[in-house]
Amino acid sequence: AQSVTQLDSQVPVFEEAPVELRCNYSSSVSVYLFWYVQYPNQGLQLLLKYLSGSTLVKGINGFEAEFNKSQTSFHLRKPSVHISDTAEYFCAVSRSGSGNTGKLIFGQGTTLQVKP
Amino acid sequence: EAGVTQFPSHSVIEKGQTVTLRCDPISGHDNLYWYRRVMGKEIKFLLHFVKESKQDESGMPNNRFLAERTGGTYSTLKVQPAELEDSGVYFCASSFRRVETQYFGPGTRLLVL
Repeated sequence: AQSVTQLDSQVPVFEEAPVELRCNYSSSVSVYLFWYVQYPNQGLQLLLKYLSGSTLVKGINGFEAEFNKSQTSFHLRKPSVHISDTAEYFCAVSRSGSGNTGKLIFGQGTTLQVKP
Repeated sequence: EAGVTQFPSHSVIEKGQTVTLRCDPISGHDNLYWYRRVMGKEIKFLLHFVKESKQDESGMPNNRFLAERTGGTYSTLKVQPAELEDSGVYFCASSFRRVETQYFGPGTRLLVL
C-alpha cells in the first residue's frame, strides 16, 4: 500500500519570497508522483508529474519538484511566489508500471497563503 | 473542449434521504474516477470505471453507495440512505489512458444534516 504525508498543513509566505511545500511518501513498489493545485471554488489542476527520467520536474506557473528516491520525497518549490499562487496544494502517488490503475493516493493538502 | 463537469455543485439533504451526484467526463475519456474529501481529511479514492465497467471499487465505503456509468459516458453516484458521515466534497476525474493526467471536475459539496 502507498501513503503520502504532506508535512505542513499551512504555509504562509510573503509575495516574491521562495517557497517549498514538502511531501514524503511510503510505498513498497515503484510509484509515479504528482502535485495538484486547487484554487478556490475550482477543481484540482495538475501542476506537474514525475513518471520517469530526470528527477527534477518542471511544471506550470513556475513550479518545480525534485524526486528523491532515497528520501522518498517529492518537494514542490517556487523561487518567487505571487498572490495568485494562494491555493491548496496536494501531493499524490500512484503505482507505476503494469500495476498502475490510475488510482491516486493523496496527501492531506497544504494551504499556501501568499501575503502582500 | 469542455472540461469535467459535475452536478449539482452543492447539495444539502437530511439524514436518511437519497442523493444522486452526476459526473460528465471529457469526451473520449474512457477512464472515470470518483474521489471524496471529508472535511479535514485527505482526498480518498472511491472507484474507477473503464468505459462502463467498474475496474476498482475498493474505496467505496459501504453498500449505501452505488455508482453507475451507463453507456460509458456520464456517471452517477447515488447515496441511499445518506448518513451524517457522508458529508464532504465528491470529485470526479477522467483520463484518456490510466497513466495519463486525470482532469478533475469542480466537485459536489454534499452536506447531510
